[in-house]
Amino acid sequence: AQTVTQSQPEMSVQEAETVTLSCTYDTSESDYYLFWYKQPPSRQMILVIRQEAYKQQNATENRFSVNFQKAAKSFSLKISDSQLGDAAMYFCAYRSMEYGNKLVFGAGTILRVKS
Amino acid sequence: DTEVTQTPKHLVMGMTNKKSLKCEQHMGHRAMYWYKQKAKKPPELMFVYSYEKLSINESVPSRFSPECPNSSLLNLHLHALQPEDSALYLCASSQDFGAHYGYTFGSGTRLTVV
Repeated sequence: AQTVTQSQPEMSVQEAETVTLSCTYDTSESDYYLFWYKQPPSRQMILVIRQEAYKQQNATENRFSVNFQKAAKSFSLKISDSQLGDAAMYFCAYRSMEYGNKLVFGAGTILRVKS
Repeated sequence: DTEVTQTPKHLVMGMTNKKSLKCEQHMGHRAMYWYKQKAKKPPELMFVYSYEKLSINESVPSRFSPECPNSSLLNLHLHALQPEDSALYLCASSQDFGAHYGYTFGSGTRLTVV
């Protein structure tokens, strides 16, 4: 079974600075999807960024980018120019390519943004 | 409409009550999900409906009863719950059940069982 590990329970960043959230995963599959979800105090889970394992190029969405190291099974999220609205719980998630497989979440990292 | 709407936002119920949570989407998505989330923990999958049929039941106690009346609506019927069932209940949908389809989540129902 696949597992997802987020080793940082909490992180802090100064407004306008850059922060990196770590995620590692364990799988024997060669093709799969990885996701970062954000859950602010409003409770809604919001998809931040998605990476397809067979794509070498790291995904980027505005201020959010990933460092995907397939051999190391690492999928970190970099947030540039941090804003107060980035404060949230961030979950890393894995999904197998096999039809019907469920999303596997990591334990989450609480990100605090200081003004 | 690009939202998943969940009602009610908050619910307090006694252990002998019967209540229902409602989830609605009008994006034409054919897969819908119920998750349970405890504070500062990741969501845990409860049920998956794909094309209005129950595809996954993660061994959830029978006091939780899902229902999918049509492709836009997903209900979760609650009966004889325990205090440990207090949690945030999240609904999500995706275009299909394939891996490359992202999920759209609702903002959840905060359930308190007293």
